[in-house]
Amino acid sequence: DAGITQSPRHKVTETGTPVTLRCHQTENHRYMYWYRQDPGHGLRLIHYSYGVKDTDKGEVSDGYSVSRSKTEDFLLTLESATSSQTSVYFCAIRQGEDTEAFFGQGTRLTVV
Amino acid sequence: LAKTTQPISMDSYEGQEVNITCSHNNIATNDYITWYQQFPSQGPRFIIQGYKTKVTNEVASLFIPADRKSSTLSLPRVSLSDTAVYYCLVGDPFDMDTGRRALTFGSGTRLQVQP
Repeated sequence: DAGITQSPRHKVTETGTPVTLRCHQTENHRYMYWYRQDPGHGLRLIHYSYGVKDTDKGEVSDGYSVSRSKTEDFLLTLESATSSQTSVYFCAIRQGEDTEAFFGQGTRLTVV
Repeated sequence: LAKTTQPISMDSYEGQEVNITCSHNNIATNDYITWYQQFPSQGPRFIIQGYKTKVTNEVASLFIPADRKSSTLSLPRVSLSDTAVYYCLVGDPFDMDTGRRALTFGSGTRLQVQP
């Protein structure tokens, strides 16, 4: 399996608190992605990165920010968590366009 | 980005061959067609990728007609463990400003295999 790790795996937090999810890779892949998946739905892209300090918005970026200060880590931050951000978050990596993407195990976030 | 259309759900029985068709009428010349599989509570995993004609691996086959406006993922002799959501991806959204491509998924096809 590709070396990609998400942390934490589960988190419960209160509305209005900041939350940071971490995606760590050991593959030296260029691209990293954050998705959210809600029950019965497909994956929706939040933000992605195409290199250190290079990031871009996805389909549902409002309320989220990201940072990539080194190749192996891509952080997703919810500045002020809301109940609508309760979801399962997946991180993915891939070497380049049209190459195979590898996904992490997911982080289940509950905002109460 | 080439828009894809695939059935929302399909049902099958163990031992049958399952064919899931994806329509992508505005596929671009350089676009590849890629399929992913997602089990409950797991991230998607790559199944197969092709550009034209037929591609086969140990898991599935991918049939692409000459006009490339559709593609069919074929799963031979499915088992209960093939129950999953299958996503068809064609090309990547291209950002004119950065020249970079995102990776976006549609809603997929939910395959239910019964005994």
